[in-house]
Amino acid sequence: GAGVSQTPSNKVTEKGKYVELRCDPISGHTALYWYRQSLGQGPEFLIYFQGTGAADDSGLPNDRFFAVRPEGSVSTLKIQRTERGDSAVYLCASSLNTGANVLTFGAGSRLTVL
Amino acid sequence: GQQVMQIPQYQHVQEGEDFTTYCNSSTTLSNIQWYKQRPGGHPVFLIQLVKSGEVKKQKRLTFQFGEAKKNSSLHITATQTTDVGTYFCAGISGTYKYIFGTGTRLKVLA
Repeated sequence: GAGVSQTPSNKVTEKGKYVELRCDPISGHTALYWYRQSLGQGPEFLIYFQGTGAADDSGLPNDRFFAVRPEGSVSTLKIQRTERGDSAVYLCASSLNTGANVLTFGAGSRLTVL
Repeated sequence: GQQVMQIPQYQHVQEGEDFTTYCNSSTTLSNIQWYKQRPGGHPVFLIQLVKSGEVKKQKRLTFQFGEAKKNSSLHITATQTTDVGTYFCAGISGTYKYIFGTGTRLKVLA
């Protein structure tokens, strides 16, 4: 597509529920990144993919968070047993590859855990 | 782990005044990028600096990369209301994960 698309734009869930956030990167971009941004903070790195594989998942806060990119395009960030502290905007970005390339961000998915 | 700090956290300026934000990394960077995030929006790429001591200009914006490649600055001359937003630096060190700074929120008073 023309840009990075993220769905849903807003998600409200209850504590303990499971959520999935989807990212559709720019066509042809092999690198895909997930960041989390809390109010008034900078984007916090979670994970990045080069193709289908997770090249660095060191930013995932704990084992409740998991991300996949099975065909090297669309990626899904999965959060199990959500907690109120998971509330944030989850940003996805893609780049042509993992060299020193420009990150193009999507509009983000705002997650609110009640 | 690698940390990237920015100062100031907030800056209010009168339209026409200059503005500078500073970015400091705890580790030497391969390169540094700058992004702008408008209120309610997402980060948008502005520029990338690669070489030690590099200076780049975009109209009223001047970007500089430190000699030791551990710090950078963004200077805006004669701010306009369209400059409002939060400015982030993002550094790469080692692996290809971009570590974003804490950001500087700029408000421009007309």
